[in-house]
Amino acid sequence: DVKVTQSSRYLVKRTGEKVFLECVQDMDHENMFWYRQDPGLGLRLIYFSYDVKMKEKGDIPEGYSVSREKKERFSLILESASTNQTSMYLCASSRDARSYNEQFFGPGTRLTVL
Amino acid sequence: AQTVTQSQPEMSVQEAETVTLSCTYDTSENNYYLFWYKQPPSRQMILVIRQEAYKQQNATENRFSVNFQKAAKSFSLKISDSQLGDTAMYFCAFISMMDSSYKLIFGSGTRLLVRP
Repeated sequence: DVKVTQSSRYLVKRTGEKVFLECVQDMDHENMFWYRQDPGLGLRLIYFSYDVKMKEKGDIPEGYSVSREKKERFSLILESASTNQTSMYLCASSRDARSYNEQFFGPGTRLTVL
Repeated sequence: AQTVTQSQPEMSVQEAETVTLSCTYDTSENNYYLFWYKQPPSRQMILVIRQEAYKQQNATENRFSVNFQKAAKSFSLKISDSQLGDTAMYFCAFISMMDSSYKLIFGSGTRLLVRP
């Protein structure tokens, strides 16, 4: 079974702090994604990566950056956390570029910015 | 731009009964995939069922089936013989075969409660 893990289930940070959210998948998937989940808005794509060191902006990249130095690991970085970034963050991966491939999700990190 | 709409924020159903969750979408494309994902409370999101737009036959997975109406751009999920473990958020999602970003577009979700 594919396993996608995220470094923290819950995280509390202060405004202005730099925040790192880590995601690791163990099935050699090419694609990795970071989503933000908010009530009434569903999931919105922040960034995705289709290969090591390759990244593309999603729908809401402002205030975020990403890093993919190794195939199995995809990091989301909040350069200077703000209260409007309080949310649930979900990481996902999929096997390759074919659009019908299932995305496998991690358990999520609930981030609170005070 | 493609959009996905789930008009039912919350639904409830009695255990063993059948429930249908609605989803509509908007696209000008002919080739795409539609998905239903399930997110149980405090657990990981998982794929429930997938439908290819060029296939007329509705997808089924055990107690889960879809009613895919391409002309109406409707993709509802039917859960038969509901079980307590079906309690979850359900998300409808769309992906274009022509979109090189491989981007899933999600609806806002429907929270389903199965009552004992």
